[in-house]
Parts: sequence; C-alpha cells; structure tokens
Amino acid sequence: RKEVEQDPGPFNVPEGATVAFNCTYSNSASQSFFWYRQDCRKEPKLLMSVYSSGNEDGRFTAQLNRASQYISLLIRDSKLSDSATYLCVVENQAGTALIFGKGTTLSVSS
Amino acid sequence: DVKVTQSSRYLVKRTGEKVFLECVQDMDHENMFWYRQDPGLGLRLIYFSYDVKMKEKGDIPEGYSVSREKKERFSLILESASTNQTSMYLCASSMPVQGAYGTEAFFGQGTRLTVV
Repeated sequence: RKEVEQDPGPFNVPEGATVAFNCTYSNSASQSFFWYRQDCRKEPKLLMSVYSSGNEDGRFTAQLNRASQYISLLIRDSKLSDSATYLCVVENQAGTALIFGKGTTLSVSS
Repeated sequence: DVKVTQSSRYLVKRTGEKVFLECVQDMDHENMFWYRQDPGLGLRLIYFSYDVKMKEKGDIPEGYSVSREKKERFSLILESASTNQTSMYLCASSMPVQGAYGTEAFFGQGTRLTVV
C-alpha cells in the first residue's frame, strides 16, 4: 500500500450537494492526520486536523478509523467556493514530516 | 500573520546550472521542508530539517541538496539542473509534530522552476 492514497478525482457536484472524500494510509504508527485544501495555483493550507473521535467544523466533518487506517472528509451543503483540491496528510513513520496524498479535485457548479 | 517566503515565484534555468531556491520563515519554527509538486504525482518530500545544520532525506532527494545555516532559512540546491527537475517547488515550516494532534504546516507561495 502506498503511504497515503486518496480517491481519484475529479468530483463534480452541484451546489448544495454532500460529498465525501476517502483516504487510506499505510503507517499504523501515525499519530497525526490532516486535511489540507489547495486552490488552483496557490499553496496548500490547513483545512482541519483529524482527531480520533472525529471532529466537525461547520459544514466539514472529518473521521478517523485507526483499525482500517482510513480517513474521511465530508462536506455538506457544498458551495461554489469549496471548489479546490483536497489533500489527505499523514505524519511519516519517524514522526518528523508530513506525507501528502495526491489530492482529490472538487468542482462545485451552480 | 505567519509567513513563509520563497525568493522567487518563477525561475528559468539552463540544464547543468547550479540553482538555489531560498525559503525564509518568520515564525521561529524548528521544522522546515522542501516539496515538489507535479501533476498526477502530488506533493513529494525532497528534504526536511528539524534543526539548524540538521537535514534528513525525504522520498526523492536525488539531484538535490539542502542547507540550513540559520533557523529561519532553508535552501534547496540543484547541483546540476536537469529538465526532469522542472516543477513547482514548495517550502513549508512547522513546529515539531507531537502526540495525537500534530501541528500545522505553513507553506510558501511556491517557485515554478523551468529547466531548459
């Protein structure tokens, strides 16, 4: 298994839709997990950390399943401004760096 | 406001040239990273540093070296640029990842390097 694997994109959804992204990781010892967002021609920025108990930030919900080594991001009531690439990020085996998935592109249309 | 600054947004270099990409952060972060981003391949870690004068190889260090003489500055060096090093280079910094929550990595705006 590759270190961090994400759903292949792109996801094309209408405004108001609910969309879910999935990610699997290979390092069972990883402690830290994140979702980053990258807009076109911009640098990645932290969207949210992913906690063991799951966490929510407005329309965004992140879940972690350690047993299956699986992370998810749910976006409810999609907005045009949610159009971006979403990167799943996992701490490396040594705990010293972040390993990024290839990203999933979301396009929200009116 | 936190800031990671890369010295150039766009750079064009010739094959065989020695190329320096500079990155400066003003957050007193201990960790600094260099990634390259290519279509279909995502962000790949080249080198990182967790302290002054310390460096660790990432996933794709071949053809690159780094220098960290001061805490705030992390330089990526292409000893002899080749066309397959044409890419977007992104620098990032963070505090050390600790425990279950980790810390946020802040990225510079990127340097688009073209080697001709």
